[in-house]
Amino acid sequence: GENVEQHPSTLSVQEGDSAVIKCTYSDSASNYFPWYKQELGKRPQLIIDIRSNVGEKKDQRIAVTLNKTAKHFSLHITETQPEDSAVYFCAASIGNAGNMLTFGGGTRLMVKP
Amino acid sequence: GAVVSQHPSWVICKSGTSVKIECRSLDFQATTMFWYRQFPKQSLMLMATSNEGSKATYEQGVEKDKFLINHASLTLSTLTVTSAHPEDSSFYICSARDSNRGGQQPQHFGDGTRLSIL
Repeated sequence: GENVEQHPSTLSVQEGDSAVIKCTYSDSASNYFPWYKQELGKRPQLIIDIRSNVGEKKDQRIAVTLNKTAKHFSLHITETQPEDSAVYFCAASIGNAGNMLTFGGGTRLMVKP
Repeated sequence: GAVVSQHPSWVICKSGTSVKIECRSLDFQATTMFWYRQFPKQSLMLMATSNEGSKATYEQGVEKDKFLINHASLTLSTLTVTSAHPEDSSFYICSARDSNRGGQQPQHFGDGTRLSIL
């Protein structure tokens, strides 16, 4: 089955700096890659997603890149703010967005004011 | 749109009690829902895929007789933790997507249920 690895497990940045979180996946058939933000004790919330026919997608301060050949994808957050502090999970899915998601281990991002 | 409601949000009960958790899609229909378990400071681990009108598909290592899943309608799936024990204490989260809008709709998560077994 699919295996998703996520790095780093914790990331501390200064407010205003950029943060990058990287994920690799094992199954070349995976074609949908969402990123979720989870605050303590709350539900994971979709912040951005990318499909395998696209190499990069951007939404304001958040961007995701995908390298299908290398089977890795990354989340980039620019101009970080304290409210960006949370746990971020990457995931991969085969087939379409409604299929089973395999999650990475999570990255705890701390943005220091 | 695309709201998933999960109830209850927090349960504390004695060992041996069975606990039912509900997951509802409020403004869309979902033929498939997913149940995850999340231990503190860990990732979401898929327990089972809930299929409307048919048996759930369980992941390896998840006891189907321990975690009963019923998906009797297009808007409701339930997870029952039978004879719960302290090791079942965890955060349980469901997710669903709008099955009427094609395969590229993302999954939306419920608020989760924090289960504490004494």
